Amino acid sequence: GAVVSQHPSRVICKSGTSVKIECRSLDFQATTMFWYRQFPKKSLMLMATSNEGSKATYEQGVEKDKFLINHASLTLSTLTVTSAHPEDSSFYICSARDQSSSGEEQYFGPGTRLTVT
Amino acid sequence: DAKTTQPPSMDCAEGRAANLPCNHSTISGNEYVYWYRQIHSQGPQYIIHGLKNNETNEMASLIITEDRKSSTLILPHATLRDTAVYYCIVSRYSSASKIIFGSGTRLSIRP
Repeated sequence: GAVVSQHPSRVICKSGTSVKIECRSLDFQATTMFWYRQFPKKSLMLMATSNEGSKATYEQGVEKDKFLINHASLTLSTLTVTSAHPEDSSFYICSARDQSSSGEEQYFGPGTRLTVT
Repeated sequence: DAKTTQPPSMDCAEGRAANLPCNHSTISGNEYVYWYRQIHSQGPQYIIHGLKNNETNEMASLIITEDRKSSTLILPHATLRDTAVYYCIVSRYSSASKIIFGSGTRLSIRP
């Protein structure tokens, strides 16, 4: 199946700094990618829909100025956590669908574990 | 998107079939049933999907009731590596359709 990668796989940063997480579709193009956040022992929570060449669509309660999303190409979306605080520590996961194939499955990245100290 | 209901946890003996139920009574005609699983600290893994017919692949079988209000994922010969949280999701087919996760079923395989 198609592959979605994320970089970095884990990152530790100090409170107040910003962190950028990359999500790449390695062998397919995706006009739309999705960003999720997962806290320990909880389910994945959709944060936003990343649209290539246009603004992201954020879910209710997600601060767009804190979680900046850029989808500059058909294979790359980035999530920047600005002015990170310890409560932003979480597992961030991206996903994408292959827009050109007839398959209906959505592919998920391996996740990025963010720890804010 | 329609909501799904799954039991919070199940267990199954290794080598036996694991049958995971899911209710999706508000599913609409153009929504597919998808199953994903998440092994600890990894991204979700696609398992199988279907619209109204039963489906089978190398990982599992999906049985959808005729009224499409419920479905069952069957892992025919469960192994310890199948221990994971299994998510049943309904979603329209579109590259822009969101996948909203419920709480899933935590499946434990006992030796």
